[in-house]
Amino acid sequence: DAGVIQSPRHEVTEMGQEVTLRCKPISGHDYLFWYRQTMMRGLELLIYFNNNVPIDDSGMPEDRFSAKMPNASFSTLKIQPSEPRDSAVYFCASSDPGGVETQYFGPGTRLLVL
Amino acid sequence: AQSVAQPEDQVNVAEGNPLTVKCTYSVSGNPYLFWYVQYPNRGLQFLLKYITGDNLVKGSYGFEAEFNKSQTSFHLKKPSALVSDSALYFCAVRDMRGSNYQLIWGAGTKLIIKP
Repeated sequence: DAGVIQSPRHEVTEMGQEVTLRCKPISGHDYLFWYRQTMMRGLELLIYFNNNVPIDDSGMPEDRFSAKMPNASFSTLKIQPSEPRDSAVYFCASSDPGGVETQYFGPGTRLLVL
Repeated sequence: AQSVAQPEDQVNVAEGNPLTVKCTYSVSGNPYLFWYVQYPNRGLQFLLKYITGDNLVKGSYGFEAEFNKSQTSFHLKKPSALVSDSALYFCAVRDMRGSNYQLIWGAGTKLIIKP
C-alpha cells in the first residue's frame, strides 16, 4: 500500500483565500484524523471520522475550518477564508478497527498564508 | 483530566551511549501508551505501544519502553544511540473516556545524537 497520501505537499496562499487540503487514507482503514502542527501549539487534533462520519470536531479552531469525508477513500479539510495564523503543517492519519491507536500519518501539507 | 507530559524539550546524547526520553501520564483506568517518532519534514511514525502484559515493550529501530504503573511513566530507551535516531519523539495515551478513540499527545522531545 502507498500509505496515507496528502496533497498538496506545500501551499502558499494569500490571506482571505480558500484553501483545500486533501487526504487519501490507507485502504481498509475506517478511522481518519486531521491534525495541525505548529511550533507554538505542538500537535493538535482537529477532527476525526469513523466510517466517513465525523465523531469529534471539538478541535476545529473556528467556523472557517470545515472537513468532509464523502467516501472511505477521500477526505478534505477546507479553510475559508484563510488567515496568517493558519500557517502550519497539516497531517492526515488513518487507522484500522483492529488497532485504532496505531495511526499511520501522511507526509503532511505545509501551509503558508501570507 | 487525562494528560501526557514530556518534561524535556530536548535531549542530547553522544553516539553509542544509552538514551532515555521521558514520559509521564495521567489517565483514568488502565492506560494505553504509545511512542511515535517524527523525522524532519515527515509525518509521525509509530514506534511501539503498551496495552497490557510485560512492562518492557520492544519496538522499531531497537527502541524499547518501560511501563511503570507506580510512577505513571513510560520512558523510551535505547541501549546504544545512533546519529540517525535524531528526531522528534512524541509520547501519547489513548483517551479512555467512553468509546473515544483519540490519542492525547505530549509536546514532543527533540533528541539530538552527536557523533
